[in-house]
Amino acid sequence: DARVTQTPRHKVTEMGQEVTMRCQPILGHNTVFWYRQTMMQGLELLAYFRNRAPLDDSGMPKDRFSAEMPDATLATLKIQPSEPRDSAVYFCASGLFIRESPRTQYFGPGTRLLVL
Amino acid sequence: DAKTTQPPSMDCAEGRAANLPCNHSTISGNEYVYWYRQIHSQGPQYIIHGLKNNETNEMASLIITEDRKSSTLILPHATLRDTAVYYCIVKEGTGANNLFFGTGTRLTVIP
Repeated sequence: DARVTQTPRHKVTEMGQEVTMRCQPILGHNTVFWYRQTMMQGLELLAYFRNRAPLDDSGMPKDRFSAEMPDATLATLKIQPSEPRDSAVYFCASGLFIRESPRTQYFGPGTRLLVL
Repeated sequence: DAKTTQPPSMDCAEGRAANLPCNHSTISGNEYVYWYRQIHSQGPQYIIHGLKNNETNEMASLIITEDRKSSTLILPHATLRDTAVYYCIVKEGTGANNLFFGTGTRLTVIP
């Protein structure tokens, strides 16, 4: 049963520290998304990649957030420096988007981040 | 993307069918209807999708009206583990874009 995996599952850090979250998309999927969920904002898109190339990162605070795909099996989301308002659950999702296919996304379990 | 309207909450007795409605009156011809759910503290889970025809899989059935302006997700025998927030999303099939989850319907399955 193929699944999206994310590490770490939980992270507590102090303001100003660097945070790196990792995601392993489902093997063979060509599109990877990063979402953030808070009680106030709900689920919002931060960035997504197609075939490892960034297509949209307009949802990310550019000065502190960065997202990369070093290879097809790893996506990273980095926050430097972290702030208390970054506390949220961060989800990675992946999907196989080809031609006219439905855009079904499969989500990982999330990384719960708390910045003190 | 077409806007969707769902009731904020519903209850269902365990073992009974749960019927979750969704209105999407502005849906266009190339837009799919997707259903996801999010169980507390977990990532959203894909359930089912459809374009025009009714669909069924091991988790649920999706009934889309002939004019495509509304749909119903049916969980045939709800269990306590089906308690979750259910999201109806309308999205065109092409293009690389995100899913807008909205507020969904909070389904509570009662023992």
